[in-house]
Amino acid sequence: DSGVTQTPKHLITATGQRVTLRCSPRSGDLSVYWYQQSLDQGLQFLIQYYNGEERAKGNILERFSAQQFPDLHSELNLSSLELGDSALYFCASSVAGTDYEQYFGPGTRLTVT
Amino acid sequence: GENVEQHPSTLSVQEGDSAVIKCTYSDSASNYFPWYKQELGKRPQLIIDIRSNVGEKKDQRIAVTLNKTAKHFSLHITETQPEDSAVYFCAVLSGGSNYKLTFGKGTLLTVNP
Repeated sequence: DSGVTQTPKHLITATGQRVTLRCSPRSGDLSVYWYQQSLDQGLQFLIQYYNGEERAKGNILERFSAQQFPDLHSELNLSSLELGDSALYFCASSVAGTDYEQYFGPGTRLTVT
Repeated sequence: GENVEQHPSTLSVQEGDSAVIKCTYSDSASNYFPWYKQELGKRPQLIIDIRSNVGEKKDQRIAVTLNKTAKHFSLHITETQPEDSAVYFCAVLSGGSNYKLTFGKGTLLTVNP
């Protein structure tokens, strides 16, 4: 157990819908990272938040957005869902103040039908 | 952006043999190189990492070597056991103004008893 928690574990929804994934980092970690893992694209970095502020952006679609709240939990919002958005979504957190040693949560498996 | 190549994509060894997985990267400013192990349906788990000021790091049966000049690094697993069977990912932390982890495509390691 990495100490990073994610909910829900599984999510099944229809095309065009919107969903919210939630992540709580390890105690003391200020950074939260979101990753998407699919068979064709592999493990891809989406976005990073550090202490409530967006810090780095990767291959995140405009239909996706995220935020980090004062209690440091983070939410990833996916809207206008398409079949191709079906994937595993992981969040990770890292030792305070660095991007090293990123520990992953258990992931949310999103299925868009 | 950073480009990470990982080889081989699959590797099958006999229990007790050694396994070596190699990664190359493109950004000479990259300074952190972790390896993750992912079992089926589970989260990526950080197993070892190395920073750019070190050439080799060992942790029991696992070692990582880094050649910054050639821009490649390798994971070495000795005395492999069936529980080492998993997908292994290398990753590279790129610098500049957009710190992010870029992952290789993964290596499926199978250890046959």
